[in-house]
Amino acid sequence: AQKVTQAQTEISVVEKEDVTLDCVYETRDTTYYLFWYKQPPSGELVFLIRRNSFDEQNEISGRYSWNFQKSTSSFNFTITASQVVDSAVYFCALSDNYQGAQKLVFGQGTRLTINP
Amino acid sequence: KAGVTQTPRYLIKTRGQQVTLSCSPISGHRSVSWYQQTPGQGLQFLFEYFSETQRNKGNFPGRFSGRQFSNSRSEMNVSTLELGDSALYLCASSLAFSSGSWGTQTQYFGPGTRLLVL
Repeated sequence: AQKVTQAQTEISVVEKEDVTLDCVYETRDTTYYLFWYKQPPSGELVFLIRRNSFDEQNEISGRYSWNFQKSTSSFNFTITASQVVDSAVYFCALSDNYQGAQKLVFGQGTRLTINP
Repeated sequence: KAGVTQTPRYLIKTRGQQVTLSCSPISGHRSVSWYQQTPGQGLQFLFEYFSETQRNKGNFPGRFSGRQFSNSRSEMNVSTLELGDSALYLCASSLAFSSGSWGTQTQYFGPGTRLLVL
């Protein structure tokens, strides 16, 4: 069975600090996708990134960066120079793509609080 | 392009009642998935519809059902509501491929329907 573990339940940092959110996944599939979503207090899940299992290149988007390592089954997310607006719950997710069906398996989420 | 919309946004029901939630996907998206989010269980997959057919179903009792219309809009229904059904119900749409094709598309989520069962 597929599983996603986000060991950090809550993280609190002061504004401008760098912060890394950990994500470890389990799957028997050789082909899979990983995602990160942000959930602000409004409740809507906001898509941040999608990465397939064949592409291990790290990605940077502004202050956000992602480190994908198949050897350790990890897909970590780093926010550089954090801002108060980054406060939210962040979810890592793994795709189950049986016969084209779209199903995401989510981790429990990490609540990130950025203090001014 | 308009995002995923869900109605109603908030709902209060009593035990034993039934409820229907609606989801309109992003224009052009043919796949609609539903998820339940609770503090205890987190985000859990309910089911996915593609071209009016249910392709995948999560581990939920038969009280949870859904359907998809020809315009890709989807509804989910919960019958005989229980207190434990109180949750945020999220709908997501994607440009999914047809069955048998490879690839997972990005799912874009709506704002959710917050259901409270008393």
